[in-house]
Amino acid sequence: SNSVKQTGQITVSEGASVTMNCTYTSTGYPTLFWYVEYPSKPLQLLQRETMENSKNFGGGNIKDKNSPIVKYSVQVSDSAVYYCPSTCFYNNNDMRFGAGTRLTVKP
Amino acid sequence: NAGVTQTPKFQVLKTGQSMTLQCAQDMNHNSMYWYRQDPGMGLRLIYYSASEGTTDKGEVPNGYNVSRLNKREFSLRLESAAPSQTSVYFCASSEAYGQGYGYTFGSGTRLTVV
Repeated sequence: SNSVKQTGQITVSEGASVTMNCTYTSTGYPTLFWYVEYPSKPLQLLQRETMENSKNFGGGNIKDKNSPIVKYSVQVSDSAVYYCPSTCFYNNNDMRFGAGTRLTVKP
Repeated sequence: NAGVTQTPKFQVLKTGQSMTLQCAQDMNHNSMYWYRQDPGMGLRLIYYSASEGTTDKGEVPNGYNVSRLNKREFSLRLESAAPSQTSVYFCASSEAYGQGYGYTFGSGTRLTVV
C-alpha cells in the first residue's frame, strides 16, 4: 500500500516563502502530483514529479520519499488547500489523497 | 473546453431518498473516478472505472453504486441516502488508468442528507 503525509496547516504573511512537505511510504517509486484547491474551484494540477524529472523540483527527490513544493513571495490569493496524492505502480493505480495542507496567507 | 461536468451542484435529500449524481467528460478520457471529500479526511475514492465497461470499488464504496454509461459518462447512485453520506462529491477523469496519469476534476456536488 502507499500513503502520503502532509503538514496540516500553514499560516504565513504575504511576501513570505513557504515550503509544503509531502512525505510518503511506498514499496516503489510512485509518480507524485500536487493539486491545489482554491475556494469554490475544481482541483487543479500543479506539478507532476517522477523519477526522471525529480531533479527539476526544488529540494526533494522521490528516492528520498519526499517531494516538497516551494512557493516564494506568496500572495493572499495563494491561500488554498494543497494536496499531494500518489499513485504506485505496485499497487492500485488510482490516486489516494490525504487531508492536504491548508495554506493561509495573511495580508 | 468544458472538461469534467458534474450535475447537480447542490442537493438536499431526506434520509432514505435516492438520487443519481451525473458526471460527463469531453476529453475522450478512458478512466473516470468518484471521490468524496469530508473535513479532515481529504478525498477518498468511492468507485472508479478504468475503462468503458468496467467499474471497481475504491476505499469507501458502501452505500453507493456506479454506472459507466458510455465513455463520456460515469454516474454515482445513492440508493437510500444516509446522513453519513453528507459530503462534497468530486468526479475526475484521466487519459488512462495507470501511474503517472494526472486527473482532471469536476467542480463538485455538495450533498446534504437530513
